[in-house]
Amino acid sequence: QSALTQPPSASGSRGQSVTISCTGTSSDVGGFNHVSWYQQHPDNAPKLIIYEVTKRPSGVPDRFFGSKSGNTASLTVSGLLPEDEAEYFCTSYAGNNVVFFGGGTKLTVL
Amino acid sequence: QMQLQQSGPGLVKPSETLSLTCTVSGGTIRNSSHYWGCLRQSPGKGLEWIGTLYYSGTTFYNPSLKSRVIISVDTSKNQFSLKLSSVTAADSAVYYCARHRAPGVVAAFDLWGQGTPVTVSS
Repeated sequence: QSALTQPPSASGSRGQSVTISCTGTSSDVGGFNHVSWYQQHPDNAPKLIIYEVTKRPSGVPDRFFGSKSGNTASLTVSGLLPEDEAEYFCTSYAGNNVVFFGGGTKLTVL
Repeated sequence: QMQLQQSGPGLVKPSETLSLTCTVSGGTIRNSSHYWGCLRQSPGKGLEWIGTLYYSGTTFYNPSLKSRVIISVDTSKNQFSLKLSSVTAADSAVYYCARHRAPGVVAAFDLWGQGTPVTVSS
């Protein structure tokens, strides 16, 4: 059982937008601006796409948008492309030098 | 361009110790701008942070695994290593090395090794 809660699946049509949630508590997501998101294609290592809630590493398209409200962080992917079909994981710092992960959300592009 | 190369056995017997070595290439592990982490991923539990190391030897561990984990560094070889003792089938997973993008456990993982599938079985 993961410390952060994500929906197991999400879907959207090509060109549309989809939002994936990541719910924690005031001790992790709500307490720190250190939420990250990772994209993972099958048989590949995860790839960082969002850090510190809203920041994108160099090379990550601005179609990926991170946000947070209270104890819930969200990843919005707009203008869905076939290559966006992957699993997405959130993480949050939880204080005391501990990191929690979400269980992952499998995104399907219809 | 910095890379992480993982090595270690893919099969470990129950009750024995799992070992994984991560070699940093294209840069130095003694870079004060980064911490270094170990993670794992299993179908039943998703991604799990195991622990993090600074090149000075300072370590931070997941409380749920702390009693069985040692992460250590060999700066002369530009390597860090994971040892997980008393393994059971529940420890079967793909194990990853990764780099924190900035100093501290708070920082996200921006560089990953290729992953090492490990099965615990007799």
